[in-house]
Amino acid sequence: GENVEQHPSTLSVQEGDSAVIKCTYSDSASNYFPWYKQELGKRPQLIIDIRSNVGEKKDQRIAVTLNKTAKHFSLHITETQPEDSAVYFCAASQVGNEKLTFGTGTRLTIIP
Amino acid sequence: NAGVTQTPKFRILKIGQSMTLQCAQDMNHNYMYWYRQDPGMGLKLIYYSVGAGITDKGEVPNGYNVSRSTTEDFPLRLELAAPSQTSVYFCASSWDYLNEQFFGPGTRLTVL
Repeated sequence: GENVEQHPSTLSVQEGDSAVIKCTYSDSASNYFPWYKQELGKRPQLIIDIRSNVGEKKDQRIAVTLNKTAKHFSLHITETQPEDSAVYFCAASQVGNEKLTFGTGTRLTIIP
Repeated sequence: NAGVTQTPKFRILKIGQSMTLQCAQDMNHNYMYWYRQDPGMGLKLIYYSVGAGITDKGEVPNGYNVSRSTTEDFPLRLELAAPSQTSVYFCASSWDYLNEQFFGPGTRLTVL
C-alpha cells in the first residue's frame, strides 16, 4: 500500500519568514495530494490540495508543489503569521485506493 | 448545513465497558471514515464506508465495529473497552476519496 513520509516533525520560524514542509510518497499511481491544518484542540481542515496533472498551486500565502518524477510534494507558507501555528498533515490518494494515506504531521510554531 | 456532527464530545469508560460513538453528516456524501488520533500523533484510519451497506477495515480496526445503514449515519462501536483505546476519535465524510474530507469536531474518549 501507499506510504507517506513527512518532514520535519517540528518546525519553528520567525514571524514573517517562510516555512516549507516536505512529503514523499511511495506509490507512483497516487494522484491526489491534500494538505490539512489542525489547530490545537480542533479538527483537521483542508487548506490546499493538488492533483497529479498540476505542478504547482497557490492560494494567497500558501502554495503546494508536486514533483511526480521524484514522488514528493511540498507545502510552502510565506509571510508567516502567528495564526499559522498548527500541526500540518500531508496525504496521498489514488484511483482504486478508496482512502487517504496521511503523513505523520509537522508541528509548526511561529515565533513572534 | 450542520456538516459532520459527532456525539458525545467527551466520555470516560471503565475497562470492559462498551459504547457507540455517533457520527452524522448532512452533505449527502457517500464516503465516510473513522480515525483515531492519539496525543501528539497523526491520524490512523479505523474503518471506512463508500456507501450505505458497505464498510471496510482501515489500518487499526481491532476492537471496533461499524455499520452503515443510511447515507447520513456511520456509528462506531467499541466493545470491551481497553486503556489502549484512549484517544480522540474523528469522523469524516467526502464525495469520494479524491476530494476534501470534512471532519467532525471529535470525541475525546478516556478508558480507565
